[in-house]
Amino acid sequence: GQNIDQPTEMTATEGAIVQINCTYQTSGFNGLFWYQQHAGEAPTFLSYNVLDGLEEKGRFSSFLSRSKGYSYLLLKELQMKDSASYLCAAMDSNYQLIWGAGTKLIIKP
Amino acid sequence: GAVVSQHPSWVICKSGTSVKIECRSLDFQATTMFWYRQFPKQSLMLMATSNEGSKATYEQGVEKDKFLINHASLTLSTLTVTSAHPEDSSFYICSARGDSGQETQYFGPGTRLLVL
Repeated sequence: GQNIDQPTEMTATEGAIVQINCTYQTSGFNGLFWYQQHAGEAPTFLSYNVLDGLEEKGRFSSFLSRSKGYSYLLLKELQMKDSASYLCAAMDSNYQLIWGAGTKLIIKP
Repeated sequence: GAVVSQHPSWVICKSGTSVKIECRSLDFQATTMFWYRQFPKQSLMLMATSNEGSKATYEQGVEKDKFLINHASLTLSTLTVTSAHPEDSSFYICSARGDSGQETQYFGPGTRLLVL
């Protein structure tokens, strides 16, 4: 079956770095997405990886290893506004997104 | 770019009434639109996928006669919750994806439905 695993909750300190891991199993693979969702709001797109390696976009970076079925989202210089849920989603061979349950990130001062 | 709007953002209705939610892609043509539902503190649940000009594909357990989806144009999809009941109260979110080669789904801001 198809499955996405990511931690339920993580806590980090303002100004620090946090890495949110995601492992996936899908029928075929057409890329890995990360979305940010603040409480009470819809998800917003953060990143898309389809090739192995690290993609950096400001304070946020996303990594993909297709052979390991593994991705991570790296957040640097954490700010209080980064407190949100981070959703990992893998696109299967039918271009359908398989969603993880999300990782709730709590930032402490 | 890639802006998706939803209307209305909030709906309060009586049990038994029908509610229509609109989803529009404002600056791109959305060949595929998705409708999700999210209950408090739970993950996104895909309800259905719609392609412009064809019938929607519903996920298992979603009643197609209760949740009517129309994707009549490349920029508009509608979800109608028919004969709404309190258990239908939820956060309904649409997303849109453009032509092949644009795999990213962009989400609308969501619609909160409260059925009394």
